[in-house]
Amino acid sequence: DAMVIQNPRYQVTQFGKPVTLSCSQTLNHNVMYWYQQKSSQAPKLLFHYYDKDFNNEADTPDNFQSRRPNTSFCFLDIRSPGLGDAAMYLCATSRDSGGTDTQYFGPGTRLTVL
Amino acid sequence: GDSVTQMEGPVTLSEEAFLTINCTYTATGYPSLFWYVQYPGEGLQLLLKATKADDKGSNKGFEATYRKETTSFHLEKGSVQVSDSAVYFCALPGSDGNKLVFGAGTILRVKS
Repeated sequence: DAMVIQNPRYQVTQFGKPVTLSCSQTLNHNVMYWYQQKSSQAPKLLFHYYDKDFNNEADTPDNFQSRRPNTSFCFLDIRSPGLGDAAMYLCATSRDSGGTDTQYFGPGTRLTVL
Repeated sequence: GDSVTQMEGPVTLSEEAFLTINCTYTATGYPSLFWYVQYPGEGLQLLLKATKADDKGSNKGFEATYRKETTSFHLEKGSVQVSDSAVYFCALPGSDGNKLVFGAGTILRVKS
């Protein structure tokens, strides 16, 4: 089945220790998104790629970076995780942007910061 | 700006009860509207969507009708099951067409 895969499902890191989360997709979609979802809240978009074009949300902290080396993979790098960065991180894809296309989500990576 | 307002939860129902989760929106024009479901410990799954006014989206016994007059997209199901217990998010595309703007989510708990 075509899908969005996230690894790992659970990640534990220490305060200030860099961490990388991974997302891959077999849908061959142009757009890949990273959302942050804190407990009992709605997901919040951090940034997205349209093909190789990176689009950062205005309120995304500089501590969060992303890379998309090819169509299939996208990474979320947290350079110096703080306790407030503990959350579920959701990767999503869509064939195109523009509002009518469905976004397909992966299962998420739950990040714990000690 | 674009926004979504959902009824607060949690909503607790007995199995086979009728479900309504209210969703209203504020947006420019007539955006597509979505309902996503999130089961415990998992990512979001698209439940249903409607792309224009008066469209009805349906899936797995759930339905929602795009009402432009009342700017609403209420989710309904005639007979809920324990397996429907999840968090339900109403959403629409942001004004730039990229991000999804989500409501706060409504927790549904179904008791057997």
